[in-house]
Amino acid sequence: DSGVTQTPKHLITATGQRVTLRCSPRSGDLSVYWYQQSLDQGLQFLIQYYNGEERAKGNILERFSAQQFPDLHSELNLSSLELGDSALYFCASSAGDRGRSPLHFGNGTRLTVT
Amino acid sequence: SQQGEEDPQALSIQEGENATMNCSYKTSINNLQWYRQNSGRGLVHLILIRSNEREKHSGRLRVTLDTSKKSSSLLITASRAADTASYFCATDASTANSKLTFGKGITLSVRP
Repeated sequence: DSGVTQTPKHLITATGQRVTLRCSPRSGDLSVYWYQQSLDQGLQFLIQYYNGEERAKGNILERFSAQQFPDLHSELNLSSLELGDSALYFCASSAGDRGRSPLHFGNGTRLTVT
Repeated sequence: SQQGEEDPQALSIQEGENATMNCSYKTSINNLQWYRQNSGRGLVHLILIRSNEREKHSGRLRVTLDTSKKSSSLLITASRAADTASYFCATDASTANSKLTFGKGITLSVRP
């Protein structure tokens, strides 16, 4: 058990809808990362927060947004959903704010857009 | 864009054999990490090797790093059916705003 909790595990929704994915990091970790995993694109970095502040941005679409709250949990909001947004979304946490320490991954949220 | 690229894309071996997986990357790094992912689950960190290290061991795992060739290898000795999984290398580039970047992974199948 990595200590990272992601909810929900599965999400099925229709195109054009909006969903929110939630992540609770491992106790003591200040950084939260969001990754998208699809068969054709592999594991794509979306965004990172450290202690409530945005630290790094990757291939995150404008329709997607995220935030990290004072209690360090994070939410990833996906709006105007398209079929191509169907993927596994992972949250990971680490102690530091750079890639110098291992990431601890949750078990992901599988999003299916129909 | 992927920083690390694993090779081969897929590997099938018999239980008890050794499995060697390779990773190449493009820019200077602070460290390189290997992760494992069982089907549909989150990635699990296996080992981290820093740029000033050449070899690291953890149980049946041996990782080497050659910064002059910008490559790393992961060796799993005496493989077991339970080692069947996807393996990813991830690099922490030596840039100001670096983030851990993953390759596309290697699918390892260990036949009992």
